[in-house]
Amino acid sequence: EIVLTQSPGTLSLSPGERATLSCRASQSISSGYLAWYQQKPGQAPRLVIYGASSRATGIPVRFSGSGSGTDFTLTISRLEPEDFAVYYCQQYGSSPWTFGQGTKVEIK
Amino acid sequence: EVQLVESGGGLVKPGGSLKLSCAASGFTFSSYTMNWVRQAPGKGLEWVSSISHSSIYIYYADSVKGRFTISRDNAKNSLYLQMNSLRAEDTAVYYCARIYLVYSIRDAFDIWGQGTMVTVSS
Repeated sequence: EIVLTQSPGTLSLSPGERATLSCRASQSISSGYLAWYQQKPGQAPRLVIYGASSRATGIPVRFSGSGSGTDFTLTISRLEPEDFAVYYCQQYGSSPWTFGQGTKVEIK
Repeated sequence: EVQLVESGGGLVKPGGSLKLSCAASGFTFSSYTMNWVRQAPGKGLEWVSSISHSSIYIYYADSVKGRFTISRDNAKNSLYLQMNSLRAEDTAVYYCARIYLVYSIRDAFDIWGQGTMVTVSS
């Protein structure tokens, strides 16, 4: 099983600042099969990035994903008020599909 | 509108059974692999099970293997999760989720339902 470790656990930033979230895998993820999800309290997760770097439908350009192998990054270039949420990475390259433990982006 | 709506959650005693349903609308359900993902209160996401569009490929997390059964009825645009021998640690919100790419068996989950709560307690 591929274990995903996200860091930091919590990111305290102000609107307009840049957010950089990390996801590290215990072994290489084939073909960049990595996704990022955003989840707000009481809501279902929402797909943000798939294939490590492709934005999902309707996701603003301020969201970008990068990385390969075992190290992946989600960057939010300038935080908007609606971006404060928990973000999860997920690998779907090797069964069982696994999620990271999440990074909470909170308002400073 | 593309939509997934779960139902069937509730309170059940340890060792009991429950069957969850997920009704799909707004897309060609029979073309997509579907999944169940759960989230324990205050915790992260855990993938539970997947079923391919034609039910040929079925996968389970080790934590539920032998106790849960995923199935689908493409004629009714519905996904199911039969949960037996339930334990306290199965308490969670259960989401159904669609695979992004048509006919693929592995991809990101692009459409999610609102979830249904399952509580296992005596």
